[in-house]
Amino acid sequence: QVHLVQSGAVVKKPGASVKVSCKASGYTFPNFGISWVRQAPGQGLEWMGWISAYNGNTKYAQKFQGRVTLTTDTSTSTAYMELRSLRSDDTALYFCARDEIYGGSPPFDYWGQGTLVTVSS
Amino acid sequence: EIVLTQSPGTLSLSPGERATLSCRAGQSVRTHLAWYQLKPGQAPRLLIYGASSRATGIPDRFSGGGSGTDFTLTITRLEPEDFAVYYCQHYVNSRAFGGGTKVEIK
Repeated sequence: QVHLVQSGAVVKKPGASVKVSCKASGYTFPNFGISWVRQAPGQGLEWMGWISAYNGNTKYAQKFQGRVTLTTDTSTSTAYMELRSLRSDDTALYFCARDEIYGGSPPFDYWGQGTLVTVSS
Repeated sequence: EIVLTQSPGTLSLSPGERATLSCRAGQSVRTHLAWYQLKPGQAPRLLIYGASSRATGIPDRFSGGGSGTDFTLTITRLEPEDFAVYYCQHYVNSRAFGGGTKVEIK
């Protein structure tokens, strides 16, 4: 049974950084990618970036290029999303989702439970 | 980056009615198009991928169609649990979501 379990809610000050974890279980971690998606209050879904758990290759949305870093630790089947220089409009629910690598599987078929990141002074 | 435009923004329908949602891509995404359902307090749920393939466990009242730049999600007979927000997403090279369509009870 596939599960993605994310770290807990955090409150950060403007200008700080946040690192959210996503621990995978129930499947072969290096065979898939992980994407990160956020939803700000009252807003839609926003894709942030993708990482291959096979070789660490990444793709980032232009909006977040230079401010977000995605990494994985295959020894613990965990993916991480670090977002720097936080602003109030980064307040959102952040999700990880299992993603494809080479088109051999559906995208975003399993999701984490979401991590609320609040940016407030 | 490829932009996805969903229409209408809101669809007001009654249970048992048919819902047709549209998603238009700014350039061809071939069939690399998925649909998700989002309810408050929950993670999104994959409904359709590859433009027309139903994800595991999705009822057959949900169907997807289209290719290239124009896509539709059809819900043949709305059940009470289908009232939610629906997003299309492309996954050719990068990924992006459309702005969403809210299906609300009339």
